[in-house]
Amino acid sequence: DADVTQTPRNRITKTGKRIMLECSQTKGHDRMYWYRQDPGLGLRLIYYSFDVKDINKGEISDGYSVSRQAQAKFSLSLESAIPNQTALYFCATLGWDSTDTQYFGPGTRLTVL
Amino acid sequence: QQQVKQSPQSLIVQKGGIPIINCAYENTAFDYFPWYQQFPGKGPALLIAIRPDVSEKKEGRFTISFNKSAKQFSLHIMDSQPGDSATYFCAAHHTGKLIFGQGTTLQVKP
Repeated sequence: DADVTQTPRNRITKTGKRIMLECSQTKGHDRMYWYRQDPGLGLRLIYYSFDVKDINKGEISDGYSVSRQAQAKFSLSLESAIPNQTALYFCATLGWDSTDTQYFGPGTRLTVL
Repeated sequence: QQQVKQSPQSLIVQKGGIPIINCAYENTAFDYFPWYQQFPGKGPALLIAIRPDVSEKKEGRFTISFNKSAKQFSLHIMDSQPGDSATYFCAAHHTGKLIFGQGTTLQVKP
């Protein structure tokens, strides 16, 4: 079984709709991250969390919010989706005792029409 | 502000060639420099990484060269194979966060 899972894997929605992307991990890591990937722009950090009570904005947090429901779960919400939020979204985890290796989920492809 | 600049954006080589991907960074507080490999439909996966107190690291056919004074590092793939065709990202770490380069799409022709 995959260590980091994301649901849904694909989603098509309309402008103005609320969308939630979910991430779960079985690695037991404290730190979790949400990125978006766009062609030519690489991976950009949206939000990150170092433990259940810690939430931090990344470089492109506008239009997004997150919830850390448990150590293993970190959700990303788009309160009112817009077309320029069409992208590939990745969740990642990192453990305090690791060699700073982030483990990525398989991604969610989101299309906002 | 893009703190890690990666080039080229795309690269095509013949099997057996040595593709080189370059990255430059600005923040001297970065303390760890990983490279990630991503295949279509998959999430990025760690390929190789280096810390700034080392000038070169080799793992199999993959080598990182690191130039601290120039604030640059590069990935070399020796004897490249069609199976190496993927997107490669460099990154730099600071305070629990990774800053990624823009990515390089590599195609290795048979």
